[in-house]
Amino acid sequence: DTAVSQTPKYLVTQMGNDKSIKCEQNLGHDTMYWYKQDSKKFLKIMFSYNNKELIINETVPNRFSPKSPDKAHLNLHINSLELGDSAVYFCASSQDLGPGPNYGYTFGSGTRLTVV
Amino acid sequence: GDSVTQMEGPVTLSEEAFLTINCTYTATGYPSLFWYVQYPGEGLQLLLKATKADDKGSNKGFEATYRKETTSFHLEKGSVQVSDSAVYFCALSAGDDNNDMRFGAGTRLTVKP
Repeated sequence: DTAVSQTPKYLVTQMGNDKSIKCEQNLGHDTMYWYKQDSKKFLKIMFSYNNKELIINETVPNRFSPKSPDKAHLNLHINSLELGDSAVYFCASSQDLGPGPNYGYTFGSGTRLTVV
Repeated sequence: GDSVTQMEGPVTLSEEAFLTINCTYTATGYPSLFWYVQYPGEGLQLLLKATKADDKGSNKGFEATYRKETTSFHLEKGSVQVSDSAVYFCALSAGDDNNDMRFGAGTRLTVKP
């Protein structure tokens, strides 16, 4: 059983289109995240949700909109795609939120988005 | 803000060589520290972690010690294998209200037979 699963694994689309990436976790974690990894492997957090509530919303264009229908799902919708949106997007989840030790994230295998 | 800095790559070693990837951190509180590994075409996997000073994390022959006095968490392995070729990320979690993970830039390791 895959712990954090993302679909699709690859997504090629034209500029201006709207697309969604889905993420589901079966770990019972309370917190989910979206990260963007650029071509140089740099990882940047985009959003985090805790129990369907938005916690972190970094400086991301408002063309990106996360949606969390329940605590096991966090989807990412992107409007009016641009060439610069091409990257690998990772979903992750964790049990921990709040002060104290953190025991790590579980990542999905990524969605490679190519905008042409 | 809280951050990690890790040595730039790429690092190329021969099989059975000793590996060190340096990582230092900046944090105002008491962070937890992590090493993640990303194999080609895959997501990040937690390799090891340490949640307080002087803790040593270890897994698959890799180890790292949380050194508060030098604010470091260097990754080491005594004898690398070709299968260790991957990108390694140092990360910290600040332990504050959000507890989000901050990643270093990643270090690509290539091990040659």
